[in-house]
Formats: sequence, structure tokens, C-alpha cells
Amino acid sequence: QVQLVESGGGLVKPGGSLRLSCAASGFTFSDYYMSWIRQAPGKGLEWVSYISSSGSTIYYADSVKGRFTISRDNAKNSLYLQMNSLRAEDTAVYYCAREGGDDNYFHFWGQGTLVTVSS
Amino acid sequence: QLVLTQSPSASASLGASVKLTCTLSSGHRSYAIAWHQQQPEKGPRCLMKLNSDGSHSKGDGIPDRFSGSSSGAERYLTISSLQSEDEADYFCQTWGTGFRVFGGGTKLTVL
Repeated sequence: QVQLVESGGGLVKPGGSLRLSCAASGFTFSDYYMSWIRQAPGKGLEWVSYISSSGSTIYYADSVKGRFTISRDNAKNSLYLQMNSLRAEDTAVYYCAREGGDDNYFHFWGQGTLVTVSS
Repeated sequence: QLVLTQSPSASASLGASVKLTCTLSSGHRSYAIAWHQQQPEKGPRCLMKLNSDGSHSKGDGIPDRFSGSSSGAERYLTISSLQSEDEADYFCQTWGTGFRVFGGGTKLTVL
């Protein structure tokens, strides 16, 4: 069965950096687009970034553009999010999600990893 | 700009039915959406993809109690025979080149 397991969250000071990872299993990782989505405490879902199956196409939400970098390693079945210049408003649970083969809604979600940006 | 609008809250009694609505912004009524459920303290899970013509495809293991329908710019999620575990947040989501968009979510309370 499809499994997505995020890791790398934690407490970081404003202006700091953090790298999130998402380990995928149960499907052919290199066939699918992947996304990062976040949820601030008590708030709704916010899409952060997506990457195409080959890694050649990448988009970001305006709120993270220039500060976050998405990447993937298809040989390791892993998705990453490098987060730099972190701000208090980046505090959230970060989820990775697998998109469909023919369409781009989120078919499968991980359980999330919490990132807290605070001094 | 594509916006999805959902009512913040809804409630219905145990065993009853409820219909949640997601409205696509002007000029975007042809878009398909997906419905996602997030139970308390859990990650989201996908319930279904819902097309503009009302056809839908549900995820594996999603009970028959969950169904979708469409009318114009409105996309609906109907839950019948409500159970306590249906108390959750429900988000609609759509997509296009360069973007993925969520509605604000509806918190469903089962009375």
C-alpha cells in the first residue's frame, strides 16, 4: 500500500533553515508528481510546492517563493523541502502528498511533520 | 484568480444526511475538484475526485455513504447515514498548471 512518511521537522529560530524529507513506498515513485502542503495551527490547508515526476517542472506558492526549494531523488524514493529564511508564519504541520497519474489532486497524504519557528 | 469557497461549519444528526458545498469562482465552473477529509489530530485523506458533470471516482475504501454531485459552479459532497467518525474537517481542492488550491474547509459536527 502507498506510504508517505515525513521527517525533519522541529523547532528553529526565525531566519534559520530546515530540510524536510518524505520517504515514499508502495508505488513507483518516479511516475508521479509530488507536492508539499502545510497547515498552520488551527487553520486550513495551504499548498506549498509541487514537482513533476522527473523533477524538471517545479512551482511554488507566492508565500514561499525564493525561500523554499523542492527536490526529489527518484533512486531513493524520496521528496525533499529545503526551507530557508524561516519566519514565524511558516509554523505549520507539513504534509507530503502524491498526485495522480493523469490529474493533479492529492490521492495520498503522509501524516505530517511539525515545523515550529520561534525564538 | 481561482478561489474555492466553503461554509466554515455544518452540523447534522447521527444517522441523518448532510450536503457540503464548494463553490468555484467566476469563470472557473468547468474545473473538477477533489474532496478531502481530515479527522481530528490526523492527516487528510482523499475521498473522491468530482467532475463538473457530477461524475466522481472515490478512493479505495471510501464507503458508499459518501457521494458527490455538481451543478454549475457548485460541487457537493453528500454524506448519508452519518456516523460519529464523520465528524471532521472537509476540504475541497482543485488544480492547474502552476497551482493547487484549497477551499477554506467546512467543520462538520455530528450531533
